[in-house]
Amino acid sequence: EPEVTQTPSHQVTQMGQEVILRCVPISNHLYFYWYRQILGQKVEFLVSFYNNEISEKSEIFDDQFSVERPDGSNFTLKIRSTKLEDSAMYFCASSSRGATNEKLFFGSGTQLSVL
Amino acid sequence: EDQVTQSPEALRLQEGESSSLNCSYTVSGLRGLFWYRQDPGKGPEFLFTLYSAGEEKEKERLKATLTKKESFLHITAPKPEDSATYLCAASPSGSARQLTFGSGTQLTVLP
Repeated sequence: EPEVTQTPSHQVTQMGQEVILRCVPISNHLYFYWYRQILGQKVEFLVSFYNNEISEKSEIFDDQFSVERPDGSNFTLKIRSTKLEDSAMYFCASSSRGATNEKLFFGSGTQLSVL
Repeated sequence: EDQVTQSPEALRLQEGESSSLNCSYTVSGLRGLFWYRQDPGKGPEFLFTLYSAGEEKEKERLKATLTKKESFLHITAPKPEDSATYLCAASPSGSARQLTFGSGTQLTVLP
């Protein structure tokens, strides 16, 4: 069964550094998402992306964050000037259709630790 | 503010002991109510989508139901491999893309 692939599985960085989290969505999917889960808290929506632009973003997704689809297969989340509170599990997801109730396929996540 | 609340936080069952997980939601116009399963160190895995009150969906030992304020995930004769965290999420009408998740129910099924 096709799956969403995320790399790296773990990322450790120093506060103030920039990190790029990478995702390869399912190949025929058109909608891409980033969610995060701080330890012990709920899964939170960050951003959705379609047709090479952001379609929705949450209050969490401020100027510190950016997303990009640099080629036909990768989808990245860049976090500039990382803070301690950015430490979380970051999940990439994708879906195939534009229907609002389309199910999402999630990757296994990147555990980001900011020291 | 859209909110999804799940109970209990944790549930331990003996193998074969049926039970239900609860998800109550307060969202502005529900587009869909989702159930996901999450294993340790993995991303959420889709189980069901429910669209309207009265709807039910089944998959193996799981059955999801929806009312105007709540959803239930019924687990019939669970097995140890059903142990996981079960997440409920709602898609509100004010947003076409984002899901609002509950904090999950951690289910442990003992052999």
